[in-house]
Amino acid sequence: DADVTQTPRNRITKTGKRIMLECSQTKGHDRMYWYRQDPGLGLRLIYYSFDVKDINKGEISDGYSVSRQAQAKFSLSLESAIPNQTALYFCATSDLGQGAGELFFGEGSRLTVL
Amino acid sequence: GQNIDQPTEMTATEGAIVQINCTYQTSGFNGLFWYQQHAGEAPTFLSYNVLDGLEEKGRFSSFLSRSKGYSYLLLKELQMKDSASYLCAVRASGGSYIPTFGRGTSLIVHP
Repeated sequence: DADVTQTPRNRITKTGKRIMLECSQTKGHDRMYWYRQDPGLGLRLIYYSFDVKDINKGEISDGYSVSRQAQAKFSLSLESAIPNQTALYFCATSDLGQGAGELFFGEGSRLTVL
Repeated sequence: GQNIDQPTEMTATEGAIVQINCTYQTSGFNGLFWYQQHAGEAPTFLSYNVLDGLEEKGRFSSFLSRSKGYSYLLLKELQMKDSASYLCAVRASGGSYIPTFGRGTSLIVHP
Protein backbone atom coordinates (compact mmCIF):
# COMPACT_ATOMS: atom_id res chain seq x y z
CA ASP A 1 0.00 0.00 0.00
CA ALA A 2 1.12 3.53 -0.73
CA ASP A 3 2.48 5.57 2.17
CA VAL A 4 0.66 8.69 0.95
CA THR A 5 -2.83 8.08 -0.41
CA GLN A 6 -5.03 10.53 -2.25
CA THR A 7 -8.73 10.25 -2.98
CA PRO A 8 -10.30 10.59 -5.45
CA ARG A 9 -7.71 9.84 -8.13
CA ASN A 10 -9.87 11.36 -10.83
CA ARG A 11 -12.81 13.72 -10.62
CA ILE A 12 -14.87 15.59 -13.17
CA THR A 13 -17.13 18.31 -11.83
CA LYS A 14 -19.00 21.40 -12.90
CA THR A 15 -18.32 25.06 -12.28
CA GLY A 16 -19.61 26.19 -8.89
CA LYS A 17 -19.54 22.79 -7.23
CA ARG A 18 -17.74 22.16 -3.94
CA ILE A 19 -14.96 19.62 -4.16
CA MET A 20 -12.83 17.98 -1.49
CA LEU A 21 -9.60 16.13 -2.13
CA GLU A 22 -8.36 13.98 0.71
CA CYS A 23 -4.87 12.89 1.66
CA SER A 24 -3.82 10.40 4.27
CA GLN A 25 -0.34 9.19 5.19
CA THR A 26 1.19 6.35 7.16
CA LYS A 27 4.70 7.79 7.31
CA GLY A 28 4.18 9.55 10.64
CA HIS A 29 5.39 12.86 9.18
CA ASP A 30 4.33 16.14 10.74
CA ARG A 31 4.69 18.21 7.56
CA MET A 32 2.08 17.94 4.83
CA TYR A 33 1.62 19.93 1.62
CA TRP A 34 -0.77 20.40 -1.27
CA TYR A 35 0.67 21.24 -4.72
CA ARG A 36 -0.96 21.68 -8.08
CA GLN A 37 0.76 20.85 -11.34
CA ASP A 38 -0.09 22.42 -14.68
CA PRO A 39 1.67 21.73 -17.99
CA GLY A 40 4.63 24.08 -18.37
CA LEU A 41 4.22 25.57 -14.89
CA GLY A 42 5.69 22.90 -12.66
CA LEU A 43 4.57 22.23 -9.11
CA ARG A 44 3.13 25.18 -7.22
CA LEU A 45 2.42 25.18 -3.50
CA ILE A 46 -1.19 25.79 -2.43
CA TYR A 47 -1.13 25.23 1.35
CA TYR A 48 1.07 23.52 3.90
CA SER A 49 0.80 22.35 7.49
CA PHE A 50 3.47 21.58 10.06
CA ASP A 51 1.18 20.07 12.70
CA VAL A 52 -2.43 19.36 13.53
CA LYS A 53 -4.53 22.53 13.06
CA ASP A 54 -1.50 24.44 11.72
CA ILE A 55 -2.39 25.98 8.36
CA ASN A 56 -0.17 28.13 6.13
CA LYS A 57 -0.84 29.68 2.73
CA GLY A 58 1.41 28.86 -0.15
CA GLU A 59 2.03 30.59 -3.44
CA ILE A 60 -1.48 30.11 -4.89
CA SER A 61 -3.99 29.70 -2.06
CA ASP A 62 -6.83 31.84 -3.47
CA GLY A 63 -9.94 29.74 -4.13
CA TYR A 64 -8.74 26.89 -1.90
CA SER A 65 -9.00 25.94 1.76
CA VAL A 66 -7.50 23.10 3.79
CA SER A 67 -8.10 21.23 7.01
CA ARG A 68 -5.65 19.33 9.23
CA GLN A 69 -7.66 17.68 11.98
CA ALA A 70 -5.28 14.76 12.49
CA GLN A 71 -1.57 14.19 11.91
CA ALA A 72 -2.23 11.64 9.21
CA LYS A 73 -4.83 13.60 7.22
CA PHE A 74 -4.76 16.81 5.20
CA SER A 75 -7.73 17.71 3.02
CA LEU A 76 -7.99 20.32 0.28
CA SER A 77 -11.32 21.97 -0.59
CA LEU A 78 -12.44 24.02 -3.54
CA GLU A 79 -15.50 25.87 -2.25
CA SER A 80 -16.76 26.84 -5.70
CA ALA A 81 -14.78 25.18 -8.47
CA ILE A 82 -13.87 27.10 -11.62
CA PRO A 83 -12.40 25.82 -14.90
CA ASN A 84 -8.92 27.24 -14.29
CA GLN A 85 -8.67 24.96 -11.27
CA THR A 86 -8.47 22.04 -13.67
CA ALA A 87 -5.10 20.51 -12.81
CA LEU A 88 -3.26 17.57 -11.30
CA TYR A 89 -3.11 17.92 -7.51
CA PHE A 90 -0.46 16.29 -5.35
CA CYS A 91 -0.32 15.83 -1.62
CA ALA A 92 3.14 15.42 -0.10
CA THR A 93 4.73 14.83 3.30
CA SER A 94 8.17 15.39 4.74
CA ASP A 95 10.17 15.13 7.94
CA LEU A 96 13.16 17.47 8.29
CA GLY A 97 14.66 15.11 10.85
CA GLN A 98 14.88 12.16 8.45
CA GLY A 99 17.31 11.91 5.56
CA ALA A 100 17.38 15.03 3.44
CA GLY A 101 13.86 15.97 4.45
CA GLU A 102 12.72 15.15 0.93
CA LEU A 103 9.08 15.18 -0.11
CA PHE A 104 7.07 11.98 -0.45
CA PHE A 105 4.20 12.41 -2.89
CA GLY A 106 0.83 10.80 -3.23
CA GLU A 107 -0.21 9.42 -6.60
CA GLY A 108 -2.09 12.57 -7.55
CA SER A 109 -5.69 13.61 -8.04
CA ARG A 110 -6.67 14.73 -11.51
CA LEU A 111 -9.46 17.30 -11.33
CA THR A 112 -11.41 18.54 -14.33
CA VAL A 113 -13.81 21.46 -13.88
CA LEU A 114 -16.24 21.91 -16.76
CA GLY B 1 11.61 34.86 -3.32
CA GLN B 2 13.22 32.27 -5.50
CA ASN B 3 13.84 31.99 -9.20
CA ILE B 4 14.66 28.54 -10.58
CA ASP B 5 15.48 27.93 -14.23
CA GLN B 6 15.93 24.68 -16.12
CA PRO B 7 15.55 23.74 -19.81
CA THR B 8 12.08 22.78 -20.91
CA GLU B 9 12.99 19.75 -22.97
CA MET B 10 16.02 17.66 -23.87
CA THR B 11 16.53 14.64 -26.09
CA ALA B 12 19.25 12.00 -25.91
CA THR B 13 20.11 8.57 -27.26
CA GLU B 14 19.93 5.32 -25.36
CA GLY B 15 23.30 4.48 -23.84
CA ALA B 16 24.52 8.08 -23.92
CA ILE B 17 25.13 10.61 -21.13
CA VAL B 18 22.95 13.66 -20.56
CA GLN B 19 23.37 16.64 -18.25
CA ILE B 20 20.34 18.61 -17.07
CA ASN B 21 21.18 22.03 -15.68
CA CYS B 22 19.39 24.06 -13.03
CA THR B 23 20.20 27.63 -12.03
CA TYR B 24 18.64 29.37 -9.09
CA GLN B 25 18.49 32.60 -7.17
CA THR B 26 17.44 32.51 -3.56
CA SER B 27 17.70 34.75 -0.52
CA GLY B 28 18.78 31.83 1.65
CA PHE B 29 19.84 28.32 0.70
CA ASN B 30 19.19 25.06 2.53
CA GLY B 31 19.60 22.42 -0.11
CA LEU B 32 18.74 21.47 -3.68
CA PHE B 33 16.73 18.43 -4.68
CA TRP B 34 16.23 16.54 -7.92
CA TYR B 35 13.06 14.54 -8.49
CA GLN B 36 12.06 12.26 -11.35
CA GLN B 37 8.48 12.22 -12.60
CA HIS B 38 7.17 9.80 -15.20
CA ALA B 39 4.12 10.93 -17.15
CA GLY B 40 0.96 10.73 -15.05
CA GLU B 41 2.83 9.60 -11.95
CA ALA B 42 4.05 11.16 -8.73
CA PRO B 43 7.49 12.74 -8.47
CA THR B 44 10.06 10.56 -6.74
CA PHE B 45 13.20 11.74 -4.94
CA LEU B 46 16.51 11.27 -6.76
CA SER B 47 19.16 13.33 -5.00
CA TYR B 48 19.97 16.07 -2.51
CA ASN B 49 22.91 18.50 -2.42
CA VAL B 50 23.55 20.98 0.34
CA LEU B 51 27.35 21.32 0.06
CA ASP B 52 29.38 22.05 -3.07
CA GLY B 53 30.46 19.09 -5.09
CA LEU B 54 29.29 15.93 -6.71
CA GLU B 55 26.97 13.33 -5.20
CA GLU B 56 26.95 10.01 -7.04
CA LYS B 57 24.21 7.41 -6.83
CA GLY B 58 24.50 4.65 -9.38
CA ARG B 59 23.88 5.95 -12.89
CA PHE B 60 22.76 9.32 -11.54
CA SER B 61 24.98 12.08 -10.17
CA SER B 62 24.13 15.56 -8.98
CA PHE B 63 26.47 18.53 -8.70
CA LEU B 64 26.12 21.78 -6.77
CA SER B 65 27.95 25.10 -6.82
CA ARG B 66 26.42 27.42 -4.24
CA SER B 67 28.51 30.42 -5.26
CA LYS B 68 27.24 30.14 -8.84
CA GLY B 69 23.67 29.18 -7.94
CA TYR B 70 24.05 26.17 -10.21
CA SER B 71 23.34 22.47 -10.16
CA TYR B 72 23.24 19.71 -12.70
CA LEU B 73 21.88 16.19 -12.83
CA LEU B 74 24.01 13.77 -14.83
CA LEU B 75 22.44 10.60 -16.17
CA LYS B 76 24.81 7.96 -17.53
CA GLU B 77 24.14 4.88 -19.68
CA LEU B 78 20.72 6.19 -20.57
CA GLN B 79 17.87 3.74 -20.75
CA MET B 80 14.47 4.15 -22.36
CA LYS B 81 12.88 4.13 -18.91
CA ASP B 82 14.78 7.34 -18.09
CA SER B 83 12.35 9.22 -20.34
CA ALA B 84 10.62 11.41 -17.75
CA SER B 85 10.49 14.92 -16.36
CA TYR B 86 13.27 15.95 -14.01
CA LEU B 87 12.36 18.55 -11.40
CA CYS B 88 14.86 20.79 -9.66
CA ALA B 89 13.72 22.13 -6.26
CA VAL B 90 15.46 24.56 -3.94
CA ARG B 91 14.81 24.72 -0.22
CA ALA B 92 15.21 28.11 1.37
CA SER B 93 16.56 28.65 4.85
CA GLY B 94 15.33 30.95 7.56
CA GLY B 95 11.82 29.91 8.36
CA SER B 96 9.62 27.30 6.82
CA TYR B 97 12.24 25.36 4.82
CA ILE B 98 9.73 24.82 2.04
CA PRO B 99 11.09 23.60 -1.31
CA THR B 100 10.24 25.59 -4.44
CA PHE B 101 10.18 23.77 -7.75
CA GLY B 102 11.43 24.73 -11.17
CA ARG B 103 9.19 24.02 -14.15
CA GLY B 104 10.89 20.72 -14.90
CA THR B 105 12.88 19.33 -17.84
CA SER B 106 11.22 16.76 -20.04
CA LEU B 107 13.84 14.22 -21.16
CA ILE B 108 13.12 12.06 -24.19
CA VAL B 109 15.42 9.09 -24.72
CA HIS B 110 15.54 7.72 -28.28
CA PRO B 111 16.63 4.19 -29.24
